[in-house]
Amino acid sequence: GAGVSQSPRYKVAKRGQDVALRCDPISGHVSLFWYQQALGQGPEFLTYFQNEAQLDKSGLPSDRFFAERPEGSVSTLKIQRTQQEDSAVYLCASSLVQVTGEFFGPGTRLTVL
Amino acid sequence: RKEVEQDPGPFNVPEGATVAFNCTYSNSASQSFFWYRQDCRKEPKLLMSVYSSGNEDGRFTAQLNRASQYISLLIRDSKLSDSATYLCVVNPGGSQGNLIFGKGTKLSVKP
Repeated sequence: GAGVSQSPRYKVAKRGQDVALRCDPISGHVSLFWYQQALGQGPEFLTYFQNEAQLDKSGLPSDRFFAERPEGSVSTLKIQRTQQEDSAVYLCASSLVQVTGEFFGPGTRLTVL
Repeated sequence: RKEVEQDPGPFNVPEGATVAFNCTYSNSASQSFFWYRQDCRKEPKLLMSVYSSGNEDGRFTAQLNRASQYISLLIRDSKLSDSATYLCVVNPGGSQGNLIFGKGTKLSVKP
């Protein structure tokens, strides 16, 4: 399809486990964003890429969170040593031009037991 | 104070009603503004951009008041399918590329 895709859609991890979440943005979109959405809250910004450059990672909650986009297309969000408070939906979004708004993928629902 | 604030609702309205959502933002330098719609367990989807002159898309009208840092969304002739959470969204601009989301206002349209 032509939209943003994410995998896996659902992930259950044991506390302490490492996880990797993948995002395939819309083809040609240079901007890619990761957001975290907890239950009952709006999405909260994690990090932003323009092509392969990570221009803003101010929203990453701890050094356990790491994101990369090595070739300026697919991106991976990695969470090391997962904790229960990491349980949330992780949304990826991409855009051509910021002022037009962002297109979101379906998200990965992470549950940490 | 949160950067984007909106009434969480829920707003329970009958079909055909007119309903208005309000939102305030704290960063006066914010550059662009949006309303997103989010259905239960789905991703947010862009509903419409919001311009200072006000803009309309069918039954939906959005307004922006930069002086008051206030954004609104009006839905006329509500349909059952309008039931969702409506997220007020601000792009702070500058070197930041991200969007700032409100917590959302839940709308439930009843028959």
